Amino acid sequence: AQTVTQSQPEMSVQEAETVTLSCTYDTSESDYYLFWYKQPPSRQMILVIRQEAYKQQNATENRFSVNFQKAAKSFSLKISDSQLGDAAMYFCAYRSYSGTYKYIFGTGTRLKVLA
Amino acid sequence: NAGVTQTPKFRILKIGQSMTLQCTQDMNHNYMYWYRQDPGMGLKLIYYSVGAGITDKGEVPNGYNVSRSTTEDFPLRLELAAPSQTSVYFCATQGVNTGELFFGEGSRLTVL
Repeated sequence: AQTVTQSQPEMSVQEAETVTLSCTYDTSESDYYLFWYKQPPSRQMILVIRQEAYKQQNATENRFSVNFQKAAKSFSLKISDSQLGDAAMYFCAYRSYSGTYKYIFGTGTRLKVLA
Repeated sequence: NAGVTQTPKFRILKIGQSMTLQCTQDMNHNYMYWYRQDPGMGLKLIYYSVGAGITDKGEVPNGYNVSRSTTEDFPLRLELAAPSQTSVYFCATQGVNTGELFFGEGSRLTVL
């Protein structure tokens, strides 16, 4: 069975600085999706970025980018120029490319942004 | 554009009571999910549906039931509420081409 591990329960970053959140996963599949979701205090889950495993190029969305290491089963999120609005819980998630399309979530990393 | 709508947003139940969490989507997505989120934890899958008339159990289905009579609606029923069901519940749909999950705003349920 697939698992997703986020080993950092909490991280802090100074405003305008860069922070990296870690995520590792375990799977025997070769094709899958990986996601980072943001959950601000409002509780709404928002997609930050997605990566398809067959793509070697790391996904980028404005200030958010990932470091996808397929062989190492690692999927870290880098936030550049951190802003106060980035403060939230961040969840890493895995989904098989085929089959029942069930998602596996990590336990989350709480990011604090210091002014 | 409403997306995924959950009601109610908050509810307090007494032990042994029953209730239904409503979930409606207007995105015409076939795949729908119910998750629960306990404090300090990730999301655990309760039930999911791949289309009208088809549902299946997730990781933590005990104490819950679902139905999917239409593409739009996927209600979650709690029978004989227990304190262990105190949680935040999320309904979600899956985008067809991107695999992205679209979430409702969540429903906070407290069982006393």
